[in-house]
Amino acid sequence: EVQLVQSGAEVKKPGESLRISCKGSGYSFTSYWITWVRQMPGKGLEWMGRIDPSDSYTNYSPSFQGHVTISADKSINTAYLQWSSLKASDTAMFYCARLSSGWYMGNWGQGTLVSVSS
Amino acid sequence: QSALTQPASVSGSPGQSITISCTGTSSDVGGYNYVSWYQQHPGKAPKLMIYDVSNRPSGVSNRFSGSKSGNTASLTISGLQAEDEADYHCSSYTSSSTWVFGGGTKLTVL
Repeated sequence: EVQLVQSGAEVKKPGESLRISCKGSGYSFTSYWITWVRQMPGKGLEWMGRIDPSDSYTNYSPSFQGHVTISADKSINTAYLQWSSLKASDTAMFYCARLSSGWYMGNWGQGTLVSVSS
Repeated sequence: QSALTQPASVSGSPGQSITISCTGTSSDVGGYNYVSWYQQHPGKAPKLMIYDVSNRPSGVSNRFSGSKSGNTASLTISGLQAEDEADYHCSSYTSSSTWVFGGGTKLTVL
């Protein structure tokens, strides 16, 4: 069974750094891209970017380029989303998803809630 | 990259059919047969319902169907059931090698 398990909820202060994770299991981790999706409170889904775990090639939505970094460690089947300096506006639920060959998000993690407040 | 346009809300009575539209441009919806639809219940992760415009994953009810005409894709749910009440999000691959979502549609089963 394909599973994506994300790290737990985080409470941070503005200016702090953060890395959240997404661990894949039940499939060949390097054979499928991982994407990250943001959902702000009460809002829709926003595509942030994706990574190819086989070579760590990434591309980002222009809305998120330069604000977050997506990475992966294929030795432990884990993808990451990180911030160097959080803002209150980064408060949201973040989902990772596996991109299937037809360019759709076939499997999703359970989500990681990030709360940023002074 | 602008979000795809979906109605904020739709509603229907049990047993009826509803259609949710998702309008983009020739750079996304109109240019590729890579439109997908996701169902999201409150507090839950999204779930894939339709991929590649009109294909249903294994386990998804055949009451759910998808189509596309020009720059607009549509999700139709027939024989509406109470459990279908949820938010529905469309997504498309784009000419920039990125993906874009719609704003989401809240379906209410009356």
